[in-house]
Amino acid sequence: AQSVTQPDIHITVSEGASLELRCNYSYGATPYLFWYVQSPGQGLQLLLKYFSGDTLVQGIKGFEAEFKRSQSSFNLRKPSVHWSDAAEYFCAVGAVNQAGTALIFGKGTTLSVSS
Amino acid sequence: DAGVTQSPTHLIKTRGQQVTLRCSPKSGHDTVSWYQQALGQGPQFIFQYYEEEERQRGNFPDRFSGHQFPNYSSELNVNALLLGDSALYLCASSLLVGGGAMKYNSPLHFGNGTRLTVT
Repeated sequence: AQSVTQPDIHITVSEGASLELRCNYSYGATPYLFWYVQSPGQGLQLLLKYFSGDTLVQGIKGFEAEFKRSQSSFNLRKPSVHWSDAAEYFCAVGAVNQAGTALIFGKGTTLSVSS
Repeated sequence: DAGVTQSPTHLIKTRGQQVTLRCSPKSGHDTVSWYQQALGQGPQFIFQYYEEEERQRGNFPDRFSGHQFPNYSSELNVNALLLGDSALYLCASSLLVGGGAMKYNSPLHFGNGTRLTVT
């Protein structure tokens, strides 16, 4: 069965420190992978996506993610965290089939930023 | 350029009642998907509409139904509400691209959601 696991429920990092949020997926075919961010009371905003090609993808707000097929992982990174990055982060995997893409989301990681 | 808009923003209903949530997609998008996000959880896929037809459905009972109109806007209907239906309901729009067996959605644009509380 398709699934996404985000092992860390809550992470706290200091402002200016680097960040890595983990994501592991289970999917039978080539995955279509995403990271979304959700601020309180808001919908989800796309940070970046991977479908094919270069396994290191760049996104908005200085985020990047690396697809590692051998580890079934798609970890999100940022070299220097800003206080405004505090939010909920969701990893998702999608199918590519004759009906389009239905995303399966992980349970999310809450990021807190300390000063 | 307006993004995805959802109405209402908040709703309180009683068990057994019916509710209709509305969504207008981002301009230029032709596909609408609905997701349910329970408190502390990631969104769960309910269904997706394209060309006014339900194209895919997640693991949700028939009490959840939808509709897509010719202008691409969509409604989500939930009948016989249960306490467990309390959640944030997110609408997402996209373009369906590709052909044959290899169709996929352009990245989803989400609305801010409708917070449904069932008492």
